[in-house]
Amino acid sequence: KNQVEQSPQSLIILEGKNCTLQCNYTVSPFSNLRWYKQDTGRGPVSLTIMTFSENTKSNGRYTATLDADTKQSSLHITASQLSDSASYICVVSAGSSASKIIFGSGTRLSIRP
Amino acid sequence: DSGVTQTPKHLITATGQRVTLRCSPRSGDLSVYWYQQSLDQGLQFLIQYYNGEERAKGNILERFSAQQFPDLHSELNLSSLELGDSALYFCASSPRRQGSLGEAFFGQGTRLTVV
Repeated sequence: KNQVEQSPQSLIILEGKNCTLQCNYTVSPFSNLRWYKQDTGRGPVSLTIMTFSENTKSNGRYTATLDADTKQSSLHITASQLSDSASYICVVSAGSSASKIIFGSGTRLSIRP
Repeated sequence: DSGVTQTPKHLITATGQRVTLRCSPRSGDLSVYWYQQSLDQGLQFLIQYYNGEERAKGNILERFSAQQFPDLHSELNLSSLELGDSALYFCASSPRRQGSLGEAFFGQGTRLTVV
């Protein structure tokens, strides 16, 4: 069964601290993995996209890693800011034509001043 | 602003009714995706259209249907509405046929409340 599991479910950290969010998947055949940031009540915004051959990709203070062997991805946020408070969603595409799109349930991140 | 426009922003309707949600993709994008996000739930992929044709189907109920018109805008029709259909409905667009290979840009969503 194709699944995407994210942990932790929620996380509270102090402003300026770093954090790492996890995404484990059992999707096959893997096509690519994306991390989205979703502010409350708004549409998700893409942070990174990673294909099978990519191990690391950065977007400003966000760095995503992918281990295709263990089927794990992480999103590392450096020097967190109050505006980082949001839900972070891991999305994995599968299938020979990438026709299956499976969303994780997200990690709710709260940054405290 | 992602360039994807969804209307209406809010919709309140009674059980048993039928509603239509509209999505205008980014200029030039041929793929349109529909997603449902219930309260405190993850996004559920409903359906994808590419250049007017159905491309992929997810967890879409038989009471729901969608179409993409020649001008590439899309509509999601929800009928025989139930309380459990209350959710945020997002539309996303992508320039690619295999939208997952590129970035999908999301609209701001339509919040549907069924009472």
